[in-house]
Parts: sequence; structure tokens; C-alpha cells
Amino acid sequence: EAGVTQSPRYAVLQEGQAVSFWCDPISGHDTLYWYQQPRDQGPQLLVYFRDEAVIDNSQLPSDRFSAVRPKGTNSTLKIQSAKQGDTATYLCASRQDWGTTTLYFGAGTRLSVL
Amino acid sequence: GDSVTQMQGQVTLSEDDFLFINCTYSTTWYPTLFWYVQYPGEGPQLLLKVTTANNKGISRGFEATYDKGTTSFHLQKASVQESDSAVYYCVLGDRSSNTNKVVFGTGTRLQVLP
Repeated sequence: EAGVTQSPRYAVLQEGQAVSFWCDPISGHDTLYWYQQPRDQGPQLLVYFRDEAVIDNSQLPSDRFSAVRPKGTNSTLKIQSAKQGDTATYLCASRQDWGTTTLYFGAGTRLSVL
Repeated sequence: GDSVTQMQGQVTLSEDDFLFINCTYSTTWYPTLFWYVQYPGEGPQLLLKVTTANNKGISRGFEATYDKGTTSFHLQKASVQESDSAVYYCVLGDRSSNTNKVVFGTGTRLQVLP
């Protein structure tokens, strides 16, 4: 069974540039999460979906970040105008159903904003 | 709000030493507690989970139990190996509501010296 796939693996930008991250969850997983992980810190939730619906985006900087999951499968996270403070690894995770099920992570996209 | 606290940021041991990592949690949910492990350049992966207080989770020589009375969750291993060097995250999940939120602790970096 294929795992969670993320692309690109790395991105390097100048401040003010835009970037998109793509995530393909495990087939059949209805819940998808995006986390931001600054260097040497734990993952911090940005947004999560059940199917195509946003369940919680309260930690997403809405003025520059957006996330969609239009068909309830793949998802895209976009940063409209990157800042140096956005430098981090962006992790996508998926799980099946609720509650006690395991969260499966992709390898992440490492973003550097110069 | 819902939170997880890991006080041990870094633990350094020698091979065959005993490992004990603790975390405390705060929630109004009925929690499931997880330990995730993250190796360099990879996303976190599940080590083990415990869905019921005072039950024990066991995986790869690691054991964990959570105490509802003290709201603590600990991870232990009798004899660590150099290959156990990684970052360990205590993670709080909800097994009863419709929010399906997952909260990570700040992580404990384990270094095992040969």
C-alpha cells in the first residue's frame, strides 16, 4: 500500500514569492492534516479536512496561507507571499475515520525562505 | 485548551541504559494517547498508542501507559540501542468527538551513545 506522498521535497524562495505544496493521502483515508514543523520543534497543526470539508483552519494564517481538498482526495497548501518566518518543513498526514486510528505522515516539504 | 507538555527536551543515554520519557496532557475529551517517533529527514511515524487509561501499549521493545488520575503518559524501554536515537513526540488524540483534532507535544530528542 502506498504511503502519503508529498511534493516537492524541497523549495527555496525569496520573500514575497508564492509556493504550493501538494499531498496525496493514503487511498481511502477521509481525514487529511497539514502541519508546519519549524526546525527543532514539534509539528504544529495548520488545517485539517474531513473529505472536502475544512474542519478546523483556525491556526492557518489566512491572509497568506490557503488550503483546499476539492474532491476529498489530494490536497494543496499554498503560501501567497512567503516570509522568512515561514521557513519550516510542511507535513501532510492522513487517517481513516476518527478517534483512535493511526495518523500516517508523508516525508514533508522543506521550505527555505531567504 | 487541549495541550501536551514534554518537559524533557533532550535525553542522552548509553547503549543498554533504561529509558523513561514522561509527558502530561490536558483535555476535556476522552483521550487516546500516542507516541510518535521521527528520524532525520522523515515524517513522524507511530510507535504505539494507548486508548484506555491504565492499559499498556507495547511495540518494538517500548512500553507506554497513561494515568488518568495524574494525566500523565510515559514511554519506557529497558535497554536502548544506538538505532533508537530520534525525536519522540507525545500526541493527544480525541476518540469520542467529531473534531478529530490531534495535538503534538514539543518532542524529546533521544541520543544514544555507543
